[in-house]
Amino acid sequence: DAKTTQPPSMDCAEGRAANLPCNHSTISGNEYVYWYRQIHSQGPQYIIHGLKNNETNEMASLIITEDRKSSTLILPHATLRDTAVYYCIVRVARFGNEKLTFGTGTRLTIIP
Amino acid sequence: DAGVTQSPTHLIKTRGQQVTLRCSPKSGHDTVSWYQQALGQGPQFIFQYYEEEERQRGNFPDRFSGHQFPNYSSELNVNALLLGDSALYLCASSLTQATNEKLFFGSGTQLSVL
Repeated sequence: DAKTTQPPSMDCAEGRAANLPCNHSTISGNEYVYWYRQIHSQGPQYIIHGLKNNETNEMASLIITEDRKSSTLILPHATLRDTAVYYCIVRVARFGNEKLTFGTGTRLTIIP
Repeated sequence: DAGVTQSPTHLIKTRGQQVTLRCSPKSGHDTVSWYQQALGQGPQFIFQYYEEEERQRGNFPDRFSGHQFPNYSSELNVNALLLGDSALYLCASSLTQATNEKLFFGSGTQLSVL
């Protein structure tokens, strides 16, 4: 079973910041938080990951709470192409462990 | 640089038949994982291959088997197909030396079992 809880759906206006929450209250000290998204009819796409510090890349920012029990993915200026299902995943980063356990994710719809 | 490629893109089979799906990993990657995604659900891990051997396996029956070739490409075989095997089958590749390595997914093979 997935170790994360996400809202099933969210809407966001085009051009605004999209903030997607994720609860992972049982996360272990050696587990990272990963975010992937899946646009219709495509395979999942990596967005970002982090352990305990906030992270930013060209796609998004990841904010992890100090107790690591929850996190927020931020898309700073959402576009219509950001409409997708977003998955929050916790994973032990260990040699030989590429397994990802997906939940049902958050369906994000960007409104024009 | 080609990403992960899968073939075929769509496939229709009948119950009891066998199917083989194929995957070529991203250039430079040595590990291939397979996932099954039922309609409306997140992908579920089937198994992973590294150095031509199955390294991890999810909760799938042994009707699901695989193979990895010396060029790192991989096949997923499903025997005695059931209606419930209808799903999108995704292949993902990665480089096993990097512990935080992200996975790159193909666009999948849509399997319909009638």
